[in-house]
Amino acid sequence: GAVVSQHPSWVICKSGTSVKIECRSLDFQATTMFWYRQFPKQSLMLMATSNEGSKATYEQGVEKDKFLINHASLTLSTLTVTSAHPEDSSFYICSARAAGAYEQYFGPGTRLTVT
Amino acid sequence: KQEVTQIPAALSVPEGENLVLNCSFTDSAIYNLQWFRQDPGKGLTSLLLIQSSQREQTSGRLNASLDKSSGRSTLYIAASQPGDSATYLCAVSPDSNYQLIWGAGTKLIIKP
Repeated sequence: GAVVSQHPSWVICKSGTSVKIECRSLDFQATTMFWYRQFPKQSLMLMATSNEGSKATYEQGVEKDKFLINHASLTLSTLTVTSAHPEDSSFYICSARAAGAYEQYFGPGTRLTVT
Repeated sequence: KQEVTQIPAALSVPEGENLVLNCSFTDSAIYNLQWFRQDPGKGLTSLLLIQSSQREQTSGRLNASLDKSSGRSTLYIAASQPGDSATYLCAVSPDSNYQLIWGAGTKLIIKP
C-alpha cells in the first residue's frame, strides 16, 4: 500500500512552453502533498506544500506564478511549470500524506529538461 | 538555519563489506532524523526513522544511530550486497509538522 505515482516520468520541452506534472496517491487519500525539486548531486528542496481544496503554501524563493500547484482532489495534485526556461530543468518529486498520518510517501519523480 | 551534510558523496565497496554512511546537521534541536534510499526511476523509500529521544534504530542489516548533541547520525550497513547500490539520503525534521531538511545524499555502489 501507500503508492504514489507521477506522470510523466520524464519530459522534454522547449523554452517558453508550459509543462504539467501529475502526482497521484493510488491507494490512499492524500490530504497533503509536497513538491520538491532536486538538482544533480544536491539536496531535495521543498518547493511547496498543498492541502486538498486550498491554496498551496510556497517556500521562500519559489515563484508561485511560475510553479502553479493545484490540489483539487484527495488523490491528485498537479505542478505546472509555466514559461519554462533551461534553468527550470531539474528532477521534480512529489510526496503525499494522509490525514492524521505522519509519514510521507514519495513518487518516483519527473525529469524535466527544457531546451 | 538547519543544514544537513552527508559525507562521502560517493562510495564504492566490494560486496560483503560492512560500511558506514555519515550525516551531520548543524542544529541539534530536531524532532527526528530519517534515512531514505533513492533508486533511479523509483521513489524514495524510508529505511529508518529515529526520534530525537532515541539513540539508534535497527532494521535487518541496517542500523542507524543518532547523537543529537554532536549533530551526527550514521547508517551502518552490514554484509553489503549489490542490491544495496543506491543513493542514501538523510533528512531531519525540525518539528512535528514533518517538514524535511535533506542532505545531498551518498551514492553507494556495491561491486559484485
